[in-house]
Amino acid sequence: EIVMTQSPATLSVSPGERATLSCRASQSVSSDLAWYQQKPGQAPRLLIYGASTRATGIPARFSGSGSGTEFTLTISSLQSEDFAVYYCQHYNNWPPYSFGQGTKLEIK
Amino acid sequence: QGQLVQSGAEVKKPGASVKVSCKASGYTFTSYGISWVRQAPGQGLEWMGWINTYNGNTNYAQKLQGRVTMTTDTSTSTVNMELRSLRSDDTAVYYCARVVGALDFWGQGTLVTVSS
Repeated sequence: EIVMTQSPATLSVSPGERATLSCRASQSVSSDLAWYQQKPGQAPRLLIYGASTRATGIPARFSGSGSGTEFTLTISSLQSEDFAVYYCQHYNNWPPYSFGQGTKLEIK
Repeated sequence: QGQLVQSGAEVKKPGASVKVSCKASGYTFTSYGISWVRQAPGQGLEWMGWINTYNGNTNYAQKLQGRVTMTTDTSTSTVNMELRSLRSDDTAVYYCARVVGALDFWGQGTLVTVSS
């Protein structure tokens, strides 16, 4: 089973600044990587799929990059509504799926 | 845009079973599989399994094998997830989500509480 590891566990950033979140797979998942945003009391929302394609309605300040085992989610200029928990998930040669443990993005 | 609507919260005793439903609308039900994901209080996301809504084929997470069953009802565009022999560590919010490779939209979640 592929293990997904996210870093850091918590990231403190000021509004308007850039945030960079990392996700590493224990073996190659090609570009079969998604990012989700989850706010308290809400279901996760798909942000990025195919490692770099924004889902419908996702603002351009969200971008994804990487392939193989190393991936990055970048939020270019943080807005107040972006403070949330972010999860990566692979879907290469699934099932099973694997999620990372999450990165909490908090206001500095 | 499609939608998934789940059944309401449940409270169960240890050893009991729970069934959670997930009704799809706004898209062709049998064209996409459904996955179930759960989230214990304050914890991350845990994939539970997947069902092919066209033919009913399933694949379950190894740790839940033997306790979980997912079924599909194409007449009502509904997927059901049953979890048996409940334990306290099954207390979680249970989500269904449409599979397009990634999980492109999710139900609102169903809180299942296991308590004596």
